[in-house]
Amino acid sequence: AQSVTQPDIHITVSEGASLELRCNYSYGATPYLFWYVQSPGQGLQLLLKYFSGDTLVQGIKGFEAEFKRSQSSFNLRKPSVHWSDAAEYFCAVGNQAGTALIFGKGTTLSVSS
Amino acid sequence: GAGVSQSPRYKVAKRGQDVALRCDPISGHVSLFWYQQALGQGPEFLTYFQNEAQLDKSGLPSDRFFAERPEGSVSTLKIQRTQQEDSAVYLCASSLRGQGKITGELFFGEGSRLTVL
Repeated sequence: AQSVTQPDIHITVSEGASLELRCNYSYGATPYLFWYVQSPGQGLQLLLKYFSGDTLVQGIKGFEAEFKRSQSSFNLRKPSVHWSDAAEYFCAVGNQAGTALIFGKGTTLSVSS
Repeated sequence: GAGVSQSPRYKVAKRGQDVALRCDPISGHVSLFWYQQALGQGPEFLTYFQNEAQLDKSGLPSDRFFAERPEGSVSTLKIQRTQQEDSAVYLCASSLRGQGKITGELFFGEGSRLTVL
């Protein structure tokens, strides 16, 4: 069965510093991978997605993620974090039936000044 | 509105009561999903509709949970005889495309927070 692991429950980064959020997945075939962000009181918003092709994908708000098949990873990165990036971040993989996304437990990002 | 709308935003129920949660997807979206998000956890899949057809209900935790989308638009998630473990945020999402590999973006509502006392 497909699964997603986000090893870091909570990360604190200084404003202006770089960020990397880890995501590992378990999937038999080529996965469809996603990163979503959830701000307090708001719905989940798609940051970026990977289906095939270039393993480095660009998303909104200056985020990017790199798919590494050999490591079963899809880590999210941002070169310079802004205070407004403080939120909950979820990695997800599409299930084989194409009927659902399977989410990780999330990583809470705090940004210190 | 332009986004996915859910109501009520907050619901407090006494244990044993029945509740109904409504989702108004983005107009024209074929796919509709319900997720359950417990405190401190990621969203967990409950059920999936393609138009009015419920194609996947494998995530519904018990037969107390029931969902419908009779006209392929608005959906209702009903929970009968609520229990404390049902306390969670219930998220609805819609997507333009139908079944197949989920390539399209899922648009999520803000959720309905259910507290069972």
